[in-house]
Amino acid sequence: QQQVKQSPQSLIVQKGGISIINCAYENTAFDYFPWYQQFPGKGPALLIAIRPDVSEKKEGRFTISFNKSAKQFSLHIMDSQPGDSATYFCAAKADEDSNYQLIWGAGTKLIIKP
Amino acid sequence: GAVVSQHPSRVICKSGTSVKIECRSLDFQATTMFWYRQFPKKSLMLMATSNEGSKATYEQGVEKDKFLINHASLTLSTLTVTSAHPEDSSFYICSARDVGTEAFFGQGTRLTVV
Repeated sequence: QQQVKQSPQSLIVQKGGISIINCAYENTAFDYFPWYQQFPGKGPALLIAIRPDVSEKKEGRFTISFNKSAKQFSLHIMDSQPGDSATYFCAAKADEDSNYQLIWGAGTKLIIKP
Repeated sequence: GAVVSQHPSRVICKSGTSVKIECRSLDFQATTMFWYRQFPKKSLMLMATSNEGSKATYEQGVEKDKFLINHASLTLSTLTVTSAHPEDSSFYICSARDVGTEAFFGQGTRLTVV
């Protein structure tokens, strides 16, 4: 119930292509869905986040698509660049959780080939 | 975004000694801080949550006597790994938030126990 399932585990995309990472959840109390980017040896950094009142959110080359009925959300990276090579984590949180506990996906290692 | 400074970024210690990791919020009040542990190629695992001035709440399976957390001020939390052993070697990450804000992450600390 508390899990967030992320796929694929790893992804190789050509430079200029679209990278797509998917996540699914079960807990309908989740209402905040962030994506984090983590470079080797560094802490994660918030990339983009969405709440379930919208189906899509775009920030530059990064887009979150959200399907509330399917309980799925995905990250799309347009015009992928070698600098986007990193590990990406989806997460979810219930607003009612006063401790702000994030439930993390397993991560996707993205490699952008030049 | 807000800055969370974690220090040191790398530390090597001898088995049986203790090591302290600091986490500071530089430009906001960290009413809540979180400590995570991350194994290679794995997701973040929450160890404990602490609110300023209160005792930390540890996740199931995390030894509170081994991983001492102090959150004595609104800008500083420390994690002390006591009597460290090689199995404690890991990447430790802190994050911090104020009421109503997202969580911001430190850059992580690579602990190696030899």
